[in-house]
Amino acid sequence: NAGVTQTPKFRILKIGQSMTLQCTQDMNHNYMYWYRQDPGMGLKLIYYSVGAGITDKGEVPNGYNVSRSTTEDFPLRLELAAPSQTSVYFCASTVDLRPGRNYGYTFGSGTRLTVV
Amino acid sequence: LAKTTQPISMDSYEGQEVNITCSHNNIATNDYITWYQQFPSQGPRFIIQGYKTKVTNEVASLFIPADRKSSTLSLPRVSLSDTAVYYCLVGGSGGSYIPTFGRGTSLIVHP
Repeated sequence: NAGVTQTPKFRILKIGQSMTLQCTQDMNHNYMYWYRQDPGMGLKLIYYSVGAGITDKGEVPNGYNVSRSTTEDFPLRLELAAPSQTSVYFCASTVDLRPGRNYGYTFGSGTRLTVV
Repeated sequence: LAKTTQPISMDSYEGQEVNITCSHNNIATNDYITWYQQFPSQGPRFIIQGYKTKVTNEVASLFIPADRKSSTLSLPRVSLSDTAVYYCLVGGSGGSYIPTFGRGTSLIVHP
């Protein structure tokens, strides 16, 4: 059971380049999330999905896009990389949102992205 | 969403008990309290979750008073490996819970 897998672990992009951060979970979780974490700060929600085919914006969606064609995969797309997008990106998933049945979120190990 | 307040940082020494308190004055009736631990260069990891009174697992204990307006994460006999950031999250009711992570509490354990 791999949990939540993120690739790549590290990436350096030039300003204006595009890339896709991959996130895959093998726990059959419906709910998936993308966060970014800047140095010394908490996590900010970029996008989330409550199931295949359904996505919604979080707190900081500008400059990013997502898709959810399958339950397992939730890729995050950066179209025109900017230095402000230098951050660590975490993908997370959970099985249930009902009170008392939300047993926590499983996070991936993160992707460290630098835009120069 | 219930707003949480916790200390920015704490220091402790190996072998001591550490208590981190989180305030959540506007917690909703069906909200649960969840704590996460994050080591450098890793994603947060679920530690413990509770609704009221006391919850204990192999890692920590969670104390929640009757009014549920605060909660305390207790780490018994910390070691250097407990140095991490600890996040308190409140939510879970309403079926639309989006976990919101503040800056958390940075715990440094000294030898």
